[in-house]
Amino acid sequence: DAKTTQPPSMDCAEGRAANLPCNHSTISGNEYVYWYRQIHSQGPQYIIHGLKNNETNEMASLIITEDRKSSTLILPHATLRDTAVYYCIVRVSTGTASKLTFGTGTRLQVTL
Amino acid sequence: DTAVSQTPKYLVTQMGNDKSIKCEQNLGHDTMYWYKQDSKKFLKIMFSYNNKELIINETVPNRFSPKSPDKAHLNLHINSLELGDSAVYFCASSPRQHLAGNTIYFGEGSWLTVV
Repeated sequence: DAKTTQPPSMDCAEGRAANLPCNHSTISGNEYVYWYRQIHSQGPQYIIHGLKNNETNEMASLIITEDRKSSTLILPHATLRDTAVYYCIVRVSTGTASKLTFGTGTRLQVTL
Repeated sequence: DTAVSQTPKYLVTQMGNDKSIKCEQNLGHDTMYWYKQDSKKFLKIMFSYNNKELIINETVPNRFSPKSPDKAHLNLHINSLELGDSAVYFCASSPRQHLAGNTIYFGEGSWLTVV
């Protein structure tokens, strides 16, 4: 799987948008960009994923650059409950094997 | 209803013991996984089963043996536990292994402490 680079930590004021960047400059054409988060002492939680187009769901928006070498996860109105480690992952399927390879992620701290 | 459930949630045991962690998913998924998160918080895949067939087997000691009696269950048995096995073990599942666009859903984790 392609390597991703994320800032180790970020702060965001409650109610503001949180924009979490991710670089994946070596991404291949068949690799998806996934975002997960892990709230303290819980299992990783799926947020969103995309291949080429921007995506939006009830949790977040995913903006992928045209060259697909970077992406941004947007939490439109961050709350204290969004404090977590956010993982950007690129995932490829090869034959019958496909897996998520987690990096170190970005620790997002949402403050009052 | 819990989609991916693991038991036990907490397990403290002595070195040398044999223990099992059970996992069940009620999502109708074909593929299940075991991930390990160590003290440095790195999450790494250990195994993956697709319809009871082993698909992924990362570099894991032979003391770790997954067992899948059916596609809804993937249990992890660990023999001769060592201090370094202390970690959080996460079970996960996805609809089909070979499609990169399929989402993987995780359980809440099993905290294993070896003393």
